Amino acid sequence: QKEVEQDPGPLSVPEGAIVSLNCTYSNSAFQYFMWYRQYSRKGPELLMYTYSSGNKEDGRFTAQVDKSSKYISLFIRDSQPSDSATYLCAMTSDSSYKLIFGSGTRLLVRP
Amino acid sequence: EPEVTQTPSHQVTQMGQEVILRCVPISNHLYFYWYRQILGQKVEFLVSFYNNEISEKSEIFDDQFSVERPDGSNFTLKIRSTKLEDSAMYFCASGRAMLSGNTIYFGEGSWLTVV
Repeated sequence: QKEVEQDPGPLSVPEGAIVSLNCTYSNSAFQYFMWYRQYSRKGPELLMYTYSSGNKEDGRFTAQVDKSSKYISLFIRDSQPSDSATYLCAMTSDSSYKLIFGSGTRLLVRP
Repeated sequence: EPEVTQTPSHQVTQMGQEVILRCVPISNHLYFYWYRQILGQKVEFLVSFYNNEISEKSEIFDDQFSVERPDGSNFTLKIRSTKLEDSAMYFCASGRAMLSGNTIYFGEGSWLTVV
């Protein structure tokens, strides 16, 4: 079983739609969860950071962590064409310096 | 907004040659990292560096790789004898603290092509 699994997509939605992106993981020690956005041939850009379980909201973005199900989500409200990118989940534990990334979900928001 | 800067943005090198990738982390950050992403694949951890020593490394980070912080601002990744399979985007990242309570920021990457 892979440590972090993420549907690669692509996910195509019309402008204004609510987008739901998800990752599952197997390591119960993971406590820190991040979502990054990556444009083609660019570095990952941090969008959301969550510690342990719960929800966090920042503008149009909401991150959810359900540790009991080992499942994390990123919701994008009122999606825009500029949101078209690859979204990477990443996570780590208290005892490690390294982030474990998902494979990324490619999102296309159609005007 | 402070950012991690990397040079070169793209380098083409012959197999067997040595390559040095350079990074300037965000100035008040203490933790430094290298990750790589082979085209079409996941971002993979290579190494973390804190207090002038390697704090963690992956199985990818074998004897052909080394890291150094030669002065107060630069952080370098050296690949001693490049192989075709080293072709990838290499990302430097930095963070103020270990992940508890904080997180890390990535540079734009150095694209390495080994021919």
